[in-house]
Amino acid sequence: EIVLAQSPGTLSLSPGERATLSCRASQTIVNNYLAWYQQKPGQAPRLLIYGASTRAAGIPDRFSGSASGTDFTLTITRLEPEDFAVYYCLFYGISQGIFGQGTKLEIK
Amino acid sequence: EVQVVQSGAEVKMPGTTVKISCKTSGYIFTDQYIQWVRQAPGKGLAWMGLVDPEDGEAMYAENFRGKVTITADKSTQTAYMELRRLRSDDTAVYYCALSHSSKYYAFDSWGQGTLVTVSS
Repeated sequence: EIVLAQSPGTLSLSPGERATLSCRASQTIVNNYLAWYQQKPGQAPRLLIYGASTRAAGIPDRFSGSASGTDFTLTITRLEPEDFAVYYCLFYGISQGIFGQGTKLEIK
Repeated sequence: EVQVVQSGAEVKMPGTTVKISCKTSGYIFTDQYIQWVRQAPGKGLAWMGLVDPEDGEAMYAENFRGKVTITADKSTQTAYMELRRLRSDDTAVYYCALSHSSKYYAFDSWGQGTLVTVSS
């Protein structure tokens, strides 16, 4: 069974800084089926990136996704105050959806 | 505009059953899978299963097989998730979300979530 390991568990940064969030798959997966989500307290998750690197509609270009082998990265350049939240990666395979455990991005 | 609206919060006794609805609009109902995701208090997201509204076929995560049934009603553009034999650790927010092949089935439009509290 595929496991997605996100790191770090918590990332403390200041507005204006760059955030790099990692999602590592336990085995090779098809890049196209990797997505990233942002979730704020009391809200449903919001799709940021799908296909590992395509921004969803309305997502600012400071959010970007990339892939290298089994490693997937979400990068947020120039953090805005509204970016502090929990981020999840999701792999959707045939008849299964697998989430990473999440990275909490908090204000330093 | 795509809209996904879930039914309201529920309080249930242990051992009973809950059925949550997910009403959709603004797109062709049979074009997108409907996924269900659980989030226990303070925890991460867990995929439960999906239904293909085209033919009603459902698939379930191994952890939920035998405990959950997901269905879709084309006439009302509504999906349902029924969870049986409720226990206290089923207390969670349950989300439905749409997924389409054009986005590699990423879960795109989400409902607002339904809080289910299981307590005696």
